[in-house]
Amino acid sequence: GQQVMQIPQYQHVQEGEDFTTYCNSSTTLSNIQWYKQRPGGHPVFLIQLVKSGEVKKQKRLTFQFGEAKKNSSLHITATQTTDVGTYFCAGNTGTASKLTFGTGTRLQVTL
Amino acid sequence: KAGVTQTPRYLIKTRGQQVTLSCSPISGHRSVSWYQQTPGQGLQFLFEYFSETQRNKGNFPGRFSGRQFSNSRSEMNVSTLELGDSALYLCASSLDGRVGKNIQYFGAGTRLSVL
Repeated sequence: GQQVMQIPQYQHVQEGEDFTTYCNSSTTLSNIQWYKQRPGGHPVFLIQLVKSGEVKKQKRLTFQFGEAKKNSSLHITATQTTDVGTYFCAGNTGTASKLTFGTGTRLQVTL
Repeated sequence: KAGVTQTPRYLIKTRGQQVTLSCSPISGHRSVSWYQQTPGQGLQFLFEYFSETQRNKGNFPGRFSGRQFSNSRSEMNVSTLELGDSALYLCASSLDGRVGKNIQYFGAGTRLSVL
């Protein structure tokens, strides 16, 4: 079945440093979504990408969908303590409605 | 609009018992999905319901079941609880679950502890 892996599993940065998490699917995706889960909270939708090579920005966050639509990345510039949490990618294969979540990357930011 | 509501928030059960969790989706959302979250396994998909029918199913044993009512509210049942069923169970609703309309809006979850 479809597998979606994220690397790294965990990253600890100092405030102000940049951070990137990578999402890799075993199959071609029709779309990619990103979610953030704060400690003790539930996943919250951040963004959706659907086009090959698409890049979207939300303030300090930059999201990219690979040309082959099998990978994606989330880059945070100048991290802040409010960025702490686990970031998940999720995607669909073809027109199937089942959304497969990635393994997640936990980000810790310290002053 | 009210968000996704899950009840109860916390549950403590013993092995062998059964449990029912409830989820009320966002008004107008017709698709409800259930996920199990554990520290070691991340977010594991259980099943998705749309129009009272199970449309997708994850790789969980038959002890895990669910249903959806005509008002889109959903329930999930776990029978013969095992210690390994201890987890956070998350419900998420979306417009209709199809690609492009399947942004997941999660509830706060039900934390189940099996003793």
